[in-house]
Amino acid sequence: KAGVTQTPRYLIKTRGQQVTLSCSPISGHRSVSWYQQTPGQGLQFLFEYFSETQRNKGNFPGRFSGRQFSNSRSEMNVSTLELGDSALYLCASSLSAGGPDEQFFGPGTRLTVL
Amino acid sequence: AQSVTQLGSHVSVSEGALVLLRCNYSSSVPPYLFWYVQYPNQGLQLLLKYTSAATLVKGINGFEAEFKKSETSFHLTKPSAHMSDAAEYFCAVSPTGGGNKLTFGTGTQLKVEL
Repeated sequence: KAGVTQTPRYLIKTRGQQVTLSCSPISGHRSVSWYQQTPGQGLQFLFEYFSETQRNKGNFPGRFSGRQFSNSRSEMNVSTLELGDSALYLCASSLSAGGPDEQFFGPGTRLTVL
Repeated sequence: AQSVTQLGSHVSVSEGALVLLRCNYSSSVPPYLFWYVQYPNQGLQLLLKYTSAATLVKGINGFEAEFKKSETSFHLTKPSAHMSDAAEYFCAVSPTGGGNKLTFGTGTQLKVEL
């Protein structure tokens, strides 16, 4: 069974640009969550989607948005990039949204903002 | 709000020695608790989880953790460290019935020496 895949793995952008990251969950998984990992702030929850609906949202500005498609694939978008958005963005999928299902993490997308 | 505190950002043990990584949680009701491991340039992998069943939880790779409500702790242990255990370990909490949102601790980097 294929794991969670994230594309691209590495990305370099400049301040003010926008970026879209993609996550394909494990087949059959309907819940997708996104996390930001930085040396200073650690791992922080961004949002969770289940059946194309956002179920939970973390404490991030509106520049961070996401969506989920009918095939459970998810994208997150960051507009007007800032230097502080440089981070490893991790996607995790699980079967349902009721917890405490195991969440399977992808390898992440490393975003560098110059 | 729920939170977890990991004592010791760096822990060093000798190969074959006991591994003890500390985690304390803060929650008004017993939450779900998790331990994840992250190897360099990879996503997170679930080691074990507590979901209010048995207080002693056994996980993969010989790790186990004991839920102690009186101490609000969920420390991770392994009787005998192996070189391959060198990685970063994260304790995480999610609310019961609150979806898959994970709140992570700051992580503990485990070093295993010969």
